Amino acid sequence: DQQVKQNSPSLSVQEGRISILNCDYTNSMFDYFLWYKKYPAEGPTFLISISSIKDKNEDGRFTVFLNKSAKHLSLHIVPSQPGDSAVYFCAASWAGTASKLTFGTGTRLQVTL
Amino acid sequence: EAGVAQSPRYKIIEKRQSVAFWCNPISGHATLYWYQQILGQGPKLLIQFQNNGVVDDSQLPKDRFSAERLKGVDSTLKIQPAKLEDSAVYLCASSLQGRYQETQYFGPGTRLLVL
Repeated sequence: DQQVKQNSPSLSVQEGRISILNCDYTNSMFDYFLWYKKYPAEGPTFLISISSIKDKNEDGRFTVFLNKSAKHLSLHIVPSQPGDSAVYFCAASWAGTASKLTFGTGTRLQVTL
Repeated sequence: EAGVAQSPRYKIIEKRQSVAFWCNPISGHATLYWYQQILGQGPKLLIQFQNNGVVDDSQLPKDRFSAERLKGVDSTLKIQPAKLEDSAVYLCASSLQGRYQETQYFGPGTRLLVL
């Protein structure tokens, strides 16, 4: 049972343009969402998070949007840079399971020159 | 500040052999996690420790996988005997107290190939 889904395995975007990565979840208990970024041969690194009390959180070039009614979140990267090329994982948790994270399958982003 | 350390980085074994992975979390982090990431999938939590006690091992295949964190610092994950489907990257992560909304920091992982 895949509770967190990233339906696009890959995405290619030109440098300078906007990258939009999508994530859907099925478990209505989830109330905290995170994005992790992973380079080859490295572990995932935390990028940005959002609590369900908000619908938007911004950190520099990265913005995460949450649509609770649709059980959907998205990560926007503006402008995209070649160094953003990586695999992006969406993850979710809820207070009842403390720090336990449920991850999506990841989206590979390639930013081209 | 040193990050999460893992060794070995790569391991190739034959099925039915045993293998062990080691993890040293960030200094002062009470919570340690082991994840399994199969190719094309997201990380899946295998076991979570709080100091030297197990918090969650609900997804650990206990017939072949075992893990320990005897002194509440570093940890070892063992597979015995290994199966072909155990081929994956094994990621270790740590966090300060394992509280809700706390950031988890990941190590580089150990890539296991079972032939």
